[in-house]
Amino acid sequence: KAGVTQTPRYLIKTRGQQVTLSCSPISGHRSVSWYQQTPGQGLQFLFEYFSETQRNKGNFPGRFSGRQFSNSRSEMNVSTLELGDSALYLCASRQGASGELFFGEGSRLTVL
Amino acid sequence: QKEVEQNSGPLSVPEGAIASLNCTYSDRGSQSFFWYRQYSGKSPELIMSIYSNGDKEDGRFTAQLNKASQYVSLLIRDSQPSDSATYLCAVKGGGADGLTFGKGTHLIIQP
Repeated sequence: KAGVTQTPRYLIKTRGQQVTLSCSPISGHRSVSWYQQTPGQGLQFLFEYFSETQRNKGNFPGRFSGRQFSNSRSEMNVSTLELGDSALYLCASRQGASGELFFGEGSRLTVL
Repeated sequence: QKEVEQNSGPLSVPEGAIASLNCTYSDRGSQSFFWYRQYSGKSPELIMSIYSNGDKEDGRFTAQLNKASQYVSLLIRDSQPSDSATYLCAVKGGGADGLTFGKGTHLIIQP
């Protein structure tokens, strides 16, 4: 069974640009969560999607948005990038309401 | 605001000894508790889950939960250098709640 796949793995953007990250969950998993990981703040929850609907949302500004498609693949978008958005963005999928998350390898974003 | 607190470390333990990692959480309604391990440059992976008070053992790992004290711990027996990693405590409420993670404890096993 294939794991969680995230693309791109690495990207460099400049302030003010926008970025879209993609995540394909494990087959059969309908829930996809996004996390931001930085050395200072650790893993911070962005949002979770289930069956194309946002189920939970973290405490991030509206510049961070996401969506989920009918095949459970998910994208997150960050608009008007700031230097502080530099981080590892992790996607995780899970079955139903289980707390067992399966993480992808992450997308490392650098904002210059 | 749900909070999960962990000592960031580093926690240095000699090879073969017991490593003890601790975590406290703020939300009394939390129902599920998890330990994830994250190697440097890698993504987190689940190593233990615990749902009721007491101890749960899996190989060299034992998770301990005390809901009254809002305290979760992870013991690693016979620590190996390969156990060197950051250990993340995560807590979940009921239903479809998401997980709240602590910032992690950096564990170093010294050969």
